Amino acid sequence: EAQVTQNPRYLITVTGKKLTVTCSQNMNHEYMSWYRQDPGLGLRQIYYSMNVEVTDKGDVPEGYKVSRKEKRNFPLILESPSPNQTSLYFCASSAGIGYGETQYFGPGTRLLVL
Amino acid sequence: AQSVTQLGSHVSVSEGALVLLRCNYSSSVPPYLFWYVQYPNQGLQLLLKYTSAATLVKGINGFEAEFKKSETSFHLTKPSAHMSDAAEYFCAVSAGNQFYFGTGTSLTVIP
Repeated sequence: EAQVTQNPRYLITVTGKKLTVTCSQNMNHEYMSWYRQDPGLGLRQIYYSMNVEVTDKGDVPEGYKVSRKEKRNFPLILESPSPNQTSLYFCASSAGIGYGETQYFGPGTRLLVL
Repeated sequence: AQSVTQLGSHVSVSEGALVLLRCNYSSSVPPYLFWYVQYPNQGLQLLLKYTSAATLVKGINGFEAEFKKSETSFHLTKPSAHMSDAAEYFCAVSAGNQFYFGTGTSLTVIP
């Protein structure tokens, strides 16, 4: 089954404790992306990756890091989480970007930073 | 910069009534436009998309949207609401290397 998986689905942590949210897709997609969803703000893009070893900032990259060492994986790293990073996070992938390709979304990771 | 505006953060309709969710975009070039639906505690699912072919786009679950360049709009409609349509709906535009989402519209269907 074609899918985007994220782990963990739920995470409670404390300020400053490094964490990683994993994302994996099995569709051989080149484009992958991370979003955060906050009430009243919709989804905002954090980082995206056009292909392996190619990443770029989205609209809200502060406090986040990403890496793309393999085509299928695109982990999101919070090196020193703060309470304002409490949010719902989605990973997405698509065959490409720029020609109307559909983005496929993971189930989401709900993060609470105390 | 690209942007998407969804008018009305909350919309309520009676079961069987017309659903109309509004989306306006700003783009200096013809855009690629999408509508996604999010059911409670789930990820986003594509309803339909416009990729410069037909201006009237039909999607899943009886939804459709019409691209109107003169109005820079891409409103989502469904002739008859069903209880199962209750969800959050997001309009989005793809421009350059990024995706831009609207702030979402929560649809309530009243029995």
